[in-house]
Amino acid sequence: KNEVEQSPQNLTAQEGEFITINCSYSVGISALHWLQQHPGGGIVSLFMLSSGKKKHGRLIATINIQEKHSSLHITASHPRDSAVYICAGGIAGNAGNMLTFGGGTRLMVKP
Amino acid sequence: SQTIHQWPATLVQPVGSPLSLECTVEGTSNPNLYWYRQAAGRGLQLLFYSVGIGQISSEVPQNLSASRPQDRQFILSSKKLLLSDSGFYLCAWEGQGNQPQHFGDGTRLSIL
Repeated sequence: KNEVEQSPQNLTAQEGEFITINCSYSVGISALHWLQQHPGGGIVSLFMLSSGKKKHGRLIATINIQEKHSSLHITASHPRDSAVYICAGGIAGNAGNMLTFGGGTRLMVKP
Repeated sequence: SQTIHQWPATLVQPVGSPLSLECTVEGTSNPNLYWYRQAAGRGLQLLFYSVGIGQISSEVPQNLSASRPQDRQFILSSKKLLLSDSGFYLCAWEGQGNQPQHFGDGTRLSIL
């Protein structure tokens, strides 16, 4: 069993739909990261959160520490949101943040 | 502003050949540096990390090595590539304290 698991693995949505991607982790973490990987491979950090909720534009990330669960929401989805979304658990230590990655969720938003 | 450069973007190498991938960071000092690999159809895996010049830690045993000859330079190397070394290699940096990581554009390595 992976320490960080995401669902669903693949998701297809129509433009405008509200999207939720889930992430569960079984390890103790200092922060939960949400990353976006574009088709060319480049990765962008979307959120880093250790409690509560963060919002950036149409993206919202939440985390429930007790349940070891995080969600990434996309409101009013658009085809340009199509990408792979990756959650990662970060364990802070003397060597910076050691990230353990989920398998990713491949999102396709159709016009 | 801080930037991270990784090159080359793509590389095709024969089995048994050496490898050198370079990553440099600008606009910050004493970053934590990371090398990740993403094999085809698989998730990201941490290969090496460094908290300072000459300080390298490895997460998984493998055919690769890393070096940090300067504060903002991180190099991934191999003396003899294997087919299983194919994949997408990403370098990342992170500021001190609990900060998000910033990724390079990656190198797609194909071994023939």
